[in-house]
Amino acid sequence: DIVMTQTPLSLSVTPGQPASISCKSSQSLLHSDGKTYLYWYLQKPGQSPQLLIYEVSNRFSGVPDRFSGSGSGTDFTLKISRVEAEDVGVYYCMQSIQLPITFGQGTRLEIK
Amino acid sequence: QVQLVESGGGLVKPGGSLRLSCAASGFTFSDYYMSWIRQAPGKGLEWVSYISSSGSTIYYADSVKGRFTISRDNAKNSLYLQMNSLRAEDTAVYYCAREAGICWGQGTLVTVSS
Repeated sequence: DIVMTQTPLSLSVTPGQPASISCKSSQSLLHSDGKTYLYWYLQKPGQSPQLLIYEVSNRFSGVPDRFSGSGSGTDFTLKISRVEAEDVGVYYCMQSIQLPITFGQGTRLEIK
Repeated sequence: QVQLVESGGGLVKPGGSLRLSCAASGFTFSDYYMSWIRQAPGKGLEWVSYISSSGSTIYYADSVKGRFTISRDNAKNSLYLQMNSLRAEDTAVYYCAREAGICWGQGTLVTVSS
């Protein structure tokens, strides 16, 4: 199984400041079709997870442009340029290049 | 808009069975593979099962293999998860998701306890 490791596991950020979450996979997520199957989700308190970023760097419909994803191979990063109060929750990375699909442990973001 | 609505959760004794359903709307259900993903109380996300758009290809996590059965009815725009031989560690909110998580339902809680 591909192991997804997120750091840090928790983050406390002042509104308006940037935030960054790292996700490392135990194997490359680059498929022979040229796509990299790395996704980012946010689970707000009491809600279902919602897709933020697909295939490393593509923002899903309706996701604010303060969210961005980058990386390649086995190292990936989610950045929030200016954190807002509504960004509170747990962020997960996920790979779907290989079954079983696996998730990172989650990174809890709180507002200072 | 795209909507996934799970149902069928509840309290069941160890060794018992439950059948979860997921009603899909707002997209062409038969075009997409579907997944079940679960979240134990206070824990992270765990992928459970996958079914291809036609239903011909199915995969399970090792933790549920031989006990859970995923199926779909494209004519009814519905996804199912038959859960047998339930264990305490199966207690979780179960989400259906389009593909690996393009969109998610609100989840249904399964509690396995005597």
